[in-house]
Amino acid sequence: GQQVMQIPQYQHVQEGEDFTTYCNSSTTLSNIQWYKQRPGGHPVFLIQLVKSGEVKKQKRLTFQFGEAKKNSSLHITATQTTDVGTYFCAGKAQGGSEKLVFGKGTKLTVNP
Amino acid sequence: NAGVMQNPRHLVRRRGQEARLRCSPMKGHSHVYWYRQLPEEGLKFMVYLQKENIIDESGMPKERFSAEFPKEGPSILRIQQVVRGDSAAYFCASSPFTGGGLSEQYFGPGTRLTVT
Repeated sequence: GQQVMQIPQYQHVQEGEDFTTYCNSSTTLSNIQWYKQRPGGHPVFLIQLVKSGEVKKQKRLTFQFGEAKKNSSLHITATQTTDVGTYFCAGKAQGGSEKLVFGKGTKLTVNP
Repeated sequence: NAGVMQNPRHLVRRRGQEARLRCSPMKGHSHVYWYRQLPEEGLKFMVYLQKENIIDESGMPKERFSAEFPKEGPSILRIQQVVRGDSAAYFCASSPFTGGGLSEQYFGPGTRLTVT
């Protein structure tokens, strides 16, 4: 079945450093979504990418969708302590079920 | 506009008892999804429902687990004869469009189930 893998599993950075998490799918995706979950909280939708090669920006966050629509990345510039949390990617397989398959997430900690 | 609501937030059950988790989607949303999350793990899809219909239950264990989303009232995830391995956080999400994978999902606060 469809698998979505994320690396790294954990990332510790100093405040002000950049951070990137990578997401790879075993199958071609029709779309990819990114969510953030704060410790003890619930996932919150960040963004959706649909087009091959798409790049979207939200302030210090840059999201990319690969040309083959099988991988994606999230890059945070100049991290802040408010960026702490786990970042999940989730994808829907092209032509497949309507369900989203989530990666295991990258847990980001930021040292002030 | 109230968000997705789940209750109870915390539920403790002894082995062999039944657990019943409730989810009220956002107003106007007719699609509901249930996920299970273990500590330090991602979200594992369990089931996708529309009103009165189960669309995809490929992530549901074949035994002891069932889900419904009646015409009136919340969606219910029922776990019969709970075992320690059922201890987890169960999240419900809702979306407004047909085709859940193409719409953002709004998550509830989750129900933390502990089986003793």
